[in-house]
Amino acid sequence: RKEVEQDPGPFNVPEGATVAFNCTYSNSASQSFFWYRQDCRKEPKLLMSVYSSGNEDGRFTAQLNRASQYISLLIRDSKLSDSATYLCVVNPPNDYKLSFGAGTTVTVRA
Amino acid sequence: SAVISQKPSRDICQRGTSLTIQCQVDSQVTMMFWYRQQPGQSLTLIATANQGSEATYESGFVIDKFPISRPNLTFSTLTVSNMSPEDSSIYLCSGVRDTEAFFGQGTRLTVV
Repeated sequence: RKEVEQDPGPFNVPEGATVAFNCTYSNSASQSFFWYRQDCRKEPKLLMSVYSSGNEDGRFTAQLNRASQYISLLIRDSKLSDSATYLCVVNPPNDYKLSFGAGTTVTVRA
Repeated sequence: SAVISQKPSRDICQRGTSLTIQCQVDSQVTMMFWYRQQPGQSLTLIATANQGSEATYESGFVIDKFPISRPNLTFSTLTVSNMSPEDSSIYLCSGVRDTEAFFGQGTRLTVV
């Protein structure tokens, strides 16, 4: 089983729509969780950290479900500029190395 | 956040040759890593670049093929040695500070 698994998509949504997707992780002791955004032919960039209580940053909401070992990302009021690949990243305990999901591709159309 | 400058951004190389990729961080980071990313796939960790000592390689990657240096806390190099077409990929360096990872812009390598 992969350490981090994501639905690859693609999710094709119209502008203004809400899109949500999940990521599951295998190590129940993992402590830190992140969503990174990667644009085509660019490097990944941190979108947001995911906290136990869930957190929101503008139109983006991240949730953590430890019992079921998944994190989610919800994008409200989608913009064309939200089109990208979203990488789920998990930090195992006592380790600086990060485990990356394969990414979920989101395409927002006009 | 930290800024990582990576170069070259792209190169086309002949098989059998070697290419050295450099990453310079604008401030100290705790850890530095080197990744490879095939098109449409996720990042695969090559190794952890240890400051002043030999890198720690992941399964499937060896020092003879991917020698790494990290002479100080803000600079690291990765060499792709004796290249073959299978080495064509995007190579990314990463620095970590306070669990947040920052990435260089990537090196798009094509081996012909």
